[in-house]
Amino acid sequence: SQQGEEDPQALSIQEGENATMNCSYKTSINNLQWYRQNSGRGLVHLILIRSNEREKHSGRLRVTLDTSKKSSSLLITASRAADTASYFCATDYGGAGGTSYGKLTFGQGTILTVHP
Amino acid sequence: DGGITQSPKYLFRKEGQNVTLSCEQNLNHDAMYWYRQDPGQGLRLIYYSQIVNDFQKGDIAEGYSVSREKKESFPLTVTSAQKNPTAFYLCASRGTGWVSYTGELFFGEGSRLTVL
Repeated sequence: SQQGEEDPQALSIQEGENATMNCSYKTSINNLQWYRQNSGRGLVHLILIRSNEREKHSGRLRVTLDTSKKSSSLLITASRAADTASYFCATDYGGAGGTSYGKLTFGQGTILTVHP
Repeated sequence: DGGITQSPKYLFRKEGQNVTLSCEQNLNHDAMYWYRQDPGQGLRLIYYSQIVNDFQKGDIAEGYSVSREKKESFPLTVTSAQKNPTAFYLCASRGTGWVSYTGELFFGEGSRLTVL
């Protein structure tokens, strides 16, 4: 399986603290994406980082990508109770000729709980 | 509003019955996907379709069937051959081509199937 691995499986913090989640994958990627899922709901796209990028920011989110280590991290700064959710990394391994068929491979997720 | 609609949200099935999950999108996306999610797990790809009248098996296609007769619709049938169908099913879509491709998947709110 090419499924990525996420670490930690669960993270519990207080409001205002930062939350860091890590993702490792196995083979070369086209891009890596992070998604959020509230309990019993669909996934929502947060941020995409391409294989030639090393860091990307979006609001309180910061994503890094280290292709030499085949790993990525998601940092949520100044967390809020509303950030409580599961967070998934998804890798796009691309297709023939560099095209992508959208066959994202998802990790098992990190359950983040932010206490008020 | 543009988005993906899945129905029903909850479905109960007796063993030996086929059931069909609906997925409709009005995002004008060419590509559509079906994922399965088990408790505490990541998403696994069942089927995907890049264009009308064409679809491909994902990683866990056994016991499932799909059709893609219209761009907007990608229904999933869970057949009696699927040995462990109780799960949360998520449909997603993505724009393709140089103009509409953004890399991200747009998800529906999911359908929870329980086999009694």
